[in-house]
Amino acid sequence: EAQVTQNPRYLITVTGKKLTVTCSQNMNHEYMSWYRQDPGLGLRQIYYSMNVEVTDKGDVPEGYKVSRKEKRNFPLILESPSPNQTSLYFCAIVGTGHTYEQYFGPGTRLTVT
Amino acid sequence: AQRVTQPEKLLSVFKGAPVELKCNYSYSGSPELFWYVQYSRQRLQLLLRHISRESIKGFTADLNKGETSFHLKKPFAQEEDSAMYYCALTPYGGYQKVTFGTGTKLQVIP
Repeated sequence: EAQVTQNPRYLITVTGKKLTVTCSQNMNHEYMSWYRQDPGLGLRQIYYSMNVEVTDKGDVPEGYKVSRKEKRNFPLILESPSPNQTSLYFCAIVGTGHTYEQYFGPGTRLTVT
Repeated sequence: AQRVTQPEKLLSVFKGAPVELKCNYSYSGSPELFWYVQYSRQRLQLLLRHISRESIKGFTADLNKGETSFHLKKPFAQEEDSAMYYCALTPYGGYQKVTFGTGTKLQVIP
């Protein structure tokens, strides 16, 4: 079964202090994605990656960076976090078999003060 | 551009009553459409997808291309159905940008 892990699960930081949220998968899935979830706004895709070294913007990429140097990892980088990036972040992968079903990680709750 | 609209933020129904969660989409090509569910303090999980035409936990959804809708239905609501429901769209073929709706909270009243 596909598993997605995120670290840390909770993070409180200050404005401007660079941070990275890691995402790892236990299978060899090609597609990985990052979302933020905010009350009243649902899930919004930040970035996605279709394979190693292939990334593309989602709906809300501003203020975020990603990298995909190896298949199993897809870290989300906030170079200079701001309070409006306080949110619940989910990493997801798409399973195999052309069902396009996404498997979500447990979430990372980020607070930027 | 692709867009998903879920017009209801909250839907309250009595146990045993029928449920219909609305989802409308805008996309110029052929879409892949999904319903995801998020129970309290749990991660999102797939409920169903239009390409499989299956029924999960009594829920069904039919893609209506003429009305660009993908409404989720269940004939008799159960208390355990209370959760957040999200409609999602990705272009046909998958592995591309995914757009979610803003979600509908379903509250089933005992």
